[in-house]
Amino acid sequence: SQQGEEDPQALSIQEGENATMNCSYKTSINNLQWYRQNSGRGLVHLILIRSNEREKHSGRLRVTLDTSKKSSSLLITASRAADTASYFCATAPNTGGFKTIFGAGTRLFVKA
Amino acid sequence: GAGVSQSPSNKVTEKGKDVELRCDPISGHTALYWYRQRLGQGLEFLIYFQGNSAPDKSGLPSDRFSAERTGESVSTLTIQRTQQEDSAVYLCASSLVGTKLFFGSGTQLSVL
Repeated sequence: SQQGEEDPQALSIQEGENATMNCSYKTSINNLQWYRQNSGRGLVHLILIRSNEREKHSGRLRVTLDTSKKSSSLLITASRAADTASYFCATAPNTGGFKTIFGAGTRLFVKA
Repeated sequence: GAGVSQSPSNKVTEKGKDVELRCDPISGHTALYWYRQRLGQGLEFLIYFQGNSAPDKSGLPSDRFSAERTGESVSTLTIQRTQQEDSAVYLCASSLVGTKLFFGSGTQLSVL
């Protein structure tokens, strides 16, 4: 079974609005990462947050991590049509090694 | 090359045939991952190689699936006696330990 689960499964917003996606996971982790996948195959890394960090920023992206609730959120501010993609969280369970498990993803559609 | 390279890009095969998929990771990356992604779904973990450690094969769905890696370089994923349910995109990624994953463009496998 997948380690991470994203919520919502799909999200449709207007350009300029903020988009928030959530991720929950089951076991203790070494780190949590967010990736984007445009239509097609390649995944692009967005942010990595370690288990001892609570928040990270990168441009219009803000990621939070709450290890007590085993959850993370990805906020995209001032969304653009080009942000339309699938977003996945990925966790490296703290069970030895850095095997990285992906969730089912959130499909974001930003309307121009 | 500078990125993760996968070949072939597309593979069409007949049910019951064996297929071999290849992944060339980024030079120096000790970790290598294989994932399967069915249409509209998330990434399903298959196998994880880390240096000279025994690979984590916990995600391989059946004994028809196997993978090898030569040192810290090329990896091959072999699917024997392919079934229609094996049709998917097979993604390979590599990384330094505990850092972000770099993905290849994937192999689209179609089993007729």
